Amino acid sequence: DTGVSQDPRHKITKRGQNVTFRCDPISEHNRLYWYRQTLGQGPEFLTYFQNEAQLEKSRLLSDRFSAERPKGSFSTLEIQRTEQGDSAMYLCASSLDRGRSGSSPLHFGNGTRLTVT
Amino acid sequence: DAKTTQPTSMDCAEGRAANLPCNHSTISGNEYVYWYRQIHSQGPQYIIHGLKNNETNEMASLIITEDRKSSTLILPHATLRDTAVYYCIVRVDNYGQNFVFGPGTRLSVLP
Repeated sequence: DTGVSQDPRHKITKRGQNVTFRCDPISEHNRLYWYRQTLGQGPEFLTYFQNEAQLEKSRLLSDRFSAERPKGSFSTLEIQRTEQGDSAMYLCASSLDRGRSGSSPLHFGNGTRLTVT
Repeated sequence: DAKTTQPTSMDCAEGRAANLPCNHSTISGNEYVYWYRQIHSQGPQYIIHGLKNNETNEMASLIITEDRKSSTLILPHATLRDTAVYYCIVRVDNYGQNFVFGPGTRLSVLP
């Protein structure tokens, strides 16, 4: 399977615990994105990387959230001191930036569903 | 905010064409129209995108009006597996924040 892979698929944690999710993008893709989706809503942008550089962060990404993409390959999203409001599906996507604006579709993984009890 | 408006829901009979409309009246000249769909508990799946010309691939056709203020996604022979939420997105560049999902259209394909 050469698609975007996310691990784990499901995570249940207690409030106050830290969690970390992993995303493996499509191998030749240089851009990687994190989105969050709550029930009944469309995905909301969190942050994105161009290779290993984190270029943009949404206001949704509080200081309890941190994302990394070492060596421009896989990425991790960590949430510290989880709150019940963090319960959501966390989606990762990747794309290949060929320098042509607007013409590179994002390819999404199947997400990690986080439940904070 | 999403720059598109779509009907909340639509039904389609199995085997018939599903025509999903999208209004994007404020679209700029360099903004592409993208369509994605999302089946329950899965990530959004890319379907098709276009700038000005109509596009077709193995999944669907995209018809963009001449003034580019609206578009229609056509699934030529809908199957039960096409039941999903369909998102129409306009996007000017590769920045993630400009890839904004609205609530989409919930398409139900009926037997």
